[in-house]
Amino acid sequence: EAQVTQNPRYLITVTGKKLTVTCSQNMNHEYMSWYRQDPGLGLRQIYYSMNVEVTDKGDVPEGYKVSRKEKRNFPLILESPSPNQTSLYFCASSLRADTEAFFGQGTRLTVV
Amino acid sequence: QKEVEQDPGPLSVPEGAIVSLNCTYSNSAFQYFMWYRQYSRKGPELLMYTYSSGNKEDGRFTAQVDKSSKYISLFIRDSQPSDSATYLCAMSADSWGKLQFGAGTQVVVTP
Repeated sequence: EAQVTQNPRYLITVTGKKLTVTCSQNMNHEYMSWYRQDPGLGLRQIYYSMNVEVTDKGDVPEGYKVSRKEKRNFPLILESPSPNQTSLYFCASSLRADTEAFFGQGTRLTVV
Repeated sequence: QKEVEQDPGPLSVPEGAIVSLNCTYSNSAFQYFMWYRQYSRKGPELLMYTYSSGNKEDGRFTAQVDKSSKYISLFIRDSQPSDSATYLCAMSADSWGKLQFGAGTQVVVTP
């Protein structure tokens, strides 16, 4: 089954404690993205990757890091989380930016 | 100013009515336009895809793009309670750049 898998689904953490949200896809897609979704603001792109070792900033990259060492995986790293990063996060993959994006189930992150 | 503007709603309609949703945008380079549907506690799913200007119809759904006005629309005919969801427009300028989403419009179809 074609899917995008994010882990964990729910996470509560404290300010400053480094965390990683994993994302994996099994569709051999080149393009992968991370978004955060906040009420009234919709989906905002954090980072995107066009292929292995090729990444670029989206609209809200501050406070986040990503890496793309393998085609299937695209982890999101918060080196020093802060309460303003409390949000619902989605990973997505697609062939390209202009084709259908398949989304993971989301990760609800709370930073206290 | 956001590149993509979308009224967040909520938009409440009776079952069987036509739902009309729209987005405006400022970047004239956008040429790929999509509508996603998102049910509560789920990730978005692609509903409609349009390249450049024109109309596209798929069952009860019609997507329209007017590039001259920088305006896209989604119409849902004969709306059903199962259409209750948040609808997000999305657009990109090229194959390998950013994908910009609107804020999403919450639609409630009442029986």
